[in-house]
Amino acid sequence: DAKTTQPPSMDCAEGRAANLPCNHSTISGNEYVYWYRQIHSQGPQYIIHGLKNNETNEMASLIITEDRKSSTLILPHATLRDTAVYYCIVRDGWWDGGTSYGKLTFGQGTILTVHP
Amino acid sequence: ETGVTQSPTHLIKTRGQQVTLRCSSQSGHNTVSWYQQALGQGPQFIFQYYREEENGRGNFPPRFSGLQFPNYSSELNVNALELDDSALYLCASSLFQGALNTEAFFGQGTRLTVV
Repeated sequence: DAKTTQPPSMDCAEGRAANLPCNHSTISGNEYVYWYRQIHSQGPQYIIHGLKNNETNEMASLIITEDRKSSTLILPHATLRDTAVYYCIVRDGWWDGGTSYGKLTFGQGTILTVHP
Repeated sequence: ETGVTQSPTHLIKTRGQQVTLRCSSQSGHNTVSWYQQALGQGPQFIFQYYREEENGRGNFPPRFSGLQFPNYSSELNVNALELDDSALYLCASSLFQGALNTEAFFGQGTRLTVV
C-alpha cells in the first residue's frame, strides 16, 4: 500500500503557482520523498526528490516539513502542459541487499488541471 | 526523453497466449523495474532486476517472469494471458551505485490488450 495521502484533484490558473500537498506521516529515516507526474497514458516523468532538506530544480521545488511528515510540490508558474496526475511517493533510498530495493509504490495521485 | 525505450508500443493478444515485452535501459543504468498500470489506476510494481537477477517482486503470479541481459536491457514475459492483464506496462531504469538508489526513469510503456 502507498504510504502517502494526496488530494484527488486540484485546479490552478495558468501562470500561477501550483502547490500540491502530500502527507506521509509514517515515513522512516532512510526514505526519500519522490514526485512523479503522468500525462495522459505516457510513462511517469520524474520531477524531484528529497530526504529532509528543501530541493529545487528546473521543474519544481519540494518543501519538506521539519518532522518529514508532509511535503509540498511547487510548480512556480503553471502552464497548460502541466496538467497531469501528480504522484507523491515514499521510496527507500538505500538498498540493504535484502527486502529494500527502492521500488516505487504509487497511490492514486492528484489530478492537477491548469486552466487558462 | 528519458532514454528508456520500450517495444512494441501497442499489442493485441488472445486470452491464453504468451507475450514478451522489451525494454532498453537508459545509458549507464544497471537496474530495471517493471510496472503494470490498469486503466484509471497508479502503476503497480511487478519486479526488479539487478545484475541479471530478480531482486524484488510485487504481488504478481509466477506467470509474470522476466530477464535482464548483460547490456542491462530487459524482457517481461507473461504466460497464459488473462483479460485482466490488459494494461499499460511500464519499464523503469535506475542506477544502484554502492547502496544508493538513484531516481528511476520510465519508458513510454507498452499498451497490451487481451481479447
